[in-house]
Amino acid sequence: DAKTTQPNSMESNEEEPVHLPCNHSTISGTDYIHWYRQLPSQGPEYVIHGLTSNVNNRMASLAIAEDRKSSTLILHRATLRDAAVYYCILRDNSNSGYALNFGKGTSLLVTP
Amino acid sequence: GAVVSQHPSRVICKSGTSVKIECRSLDFQATTMFWYRQFPKQSLMLMATSNEGSKATYEQGVEKDKFLINHASLTLSTLTVTSAHPEDSSFYICSARDQGQGAASPLHFGNGTRLTVT
Repeated sequence: DAKTTQPNSMESNEEEPVHLPCNHSTISGTDYIHWYRQLPSQGPEYVIHGLTSNVNNRMASLAIAEDRKSSTLILHRATLRDAAVYYCILRDNSNSGYALNFGKGTSLLVTP
Repeated sequence: GAVVSQHPSRVICKSGTSVKIECRSLDFQATTMFWYRQFPKQSLMLMATSNEGSKATYEQGVEKDKFLINHASLTLSTLTVTSAHPEDSSFYICSARDQGQGAASPLHFGNGTRLTVT
């Protein structure tokens, strides 16, 4: 599986935007970029995913570099409830039976 | 949205006993479900892939006779931890993909089961 690299932790103030980076220099043409987050003592929650174009949904935006070797998850206004571990994961589109392989993710701390 | 229900959320059992964890997809059918384990301060580790009507595929280092997986229907998979020991204490999480959606569609996760073996 192609690997992703994320900072171990980031900190943000409440109501400010947060940009969570992810490097995936070995991404292949069939890999989608998925982001999940995990709140304490809960299962992971889907955030957003994309292939080549930037994506927006009610939770976040995903900005994908033109060469697809990196991406950034953008939380437009961080709230205390956004404090979680954020995982950037590549998922091969060619096989729907593939599981998600989780790395260490970025632990986001949001301070009031 | 798609919901995966996992039960129980917490269980405490004595060493040597067995514990069954259920994972249900409530509003979609899941040909494939995945079981993960997560130790404190660590990431999720894939244990096995569960396919409806067939044997599960286990990751290297996961004992298939200890972690019994049954996926008898398109909406239910179970994980049984047999002869549990304190080192099996962990957070177990299941996930599933809606078979009616494309390969790029997200996985849906249960809220996990905290197992404590005393």
